[in-house]
Amino acid sequence: GAGVSQSPSNKVTEKGKDVELRCDPISGHTALYWYRQSLGQGLEFLIYFQGNSAPDKSGLPSDRFSAERTGGSVSTLTIQRTQQEDSAVYLCASSLAGGLFEAFFGQGTRLTVV
Amino acid sequence: AQTVTQSQPEMSVQEAETVTLSCTYDTSESDYYLFWYKQPPSRQMILVIRQEAYKQQNATENRFSVNFQKAAKSFSLKISDSQLGDAAMYFCAYLSPSFNNDMRFGAGTRLTVKP
Repeated sequence: GAGVSQSPSNKVTEKGKDVELRCDPISGHTALYWYRQSLGQGLEFLIYFQGNSAPDKSGLPSDRFSAERTGGSVSTLTIQRTQQEDSAVYLCASSLAGGLFEAFFGQGTRLTVV
Repeated sequence: AQTVTQSQPEMSVQEAETVTLSCTYDTSESDYYLFWYKQPPSRQMILVIRQEAYKQQNATENRFSVNFQKAAKSFSLKISDSQLGDAAMYFCAYLSPSFNNDMRFGAGTRLTVKP
C-alpha cells in the first residue's frame, strides 16, 4: 500500500476483553515498531521487529501484551484481559532497515477500555 | 536501553520568529542516528530532520536545522521564520544500529505558534 495502515482506527472495548490491533507496513519494509501514546504524552516503546523476529520485547508492559509478525509483513498486537490503563493510541511504524531510513507511521488505533 | 530527554514540555513562539527545542540523550555508543518528528493534531507523525552521529556537519532542511553536540549528547532543533503550520508536538528520537535498530522517543515538546 501507499502507507502504513492500522486497523481499526478506533476501538472501544469492555474491561477484561481481549483486543487485537493490526498493522500493515509499507511493502518491503523489514523493520516494524509498535509504540503506545497516552493522551498528550510521548511515545512509549513496546516492541520492535526485524523481519519476523522481535530482538527487543522489553517494552511490553505486562504478559497481557503480545505481538507477532508473519511473513515479514503484517503485525498484530494483542492485549488480553484489557484494563482501563491500557486506553491509549497505539502507533505502528515501519522502515526499510532502521538506520538513517525514515520510519513511516500509521494513523494509530485509539483504544478505549470502559 | 538508551534514553531520550526533552526538558521542555511546552514552548511558544511568535509567528516569523525563531525557536529552539532541546533534546539530550544517554548512550555509550559512537554510531547512532537522531531524528526530529512532528505530530500535528491529525496525529500523523512526520519526519522533520535526521542526523547521523558520525557526521559533524549539522543537518538542515529549509527552515529547520539542528545543533548536534556529540560530546554533550545534545541534539536541538531550531525552527526559523516560524509559521502557524509549525504548531505541533515535536519528538526527538534516537536509533541504535548496534542495539537491534530499535528507536526510542523523548516525551515531546508541544509548540504553540502565536499569530
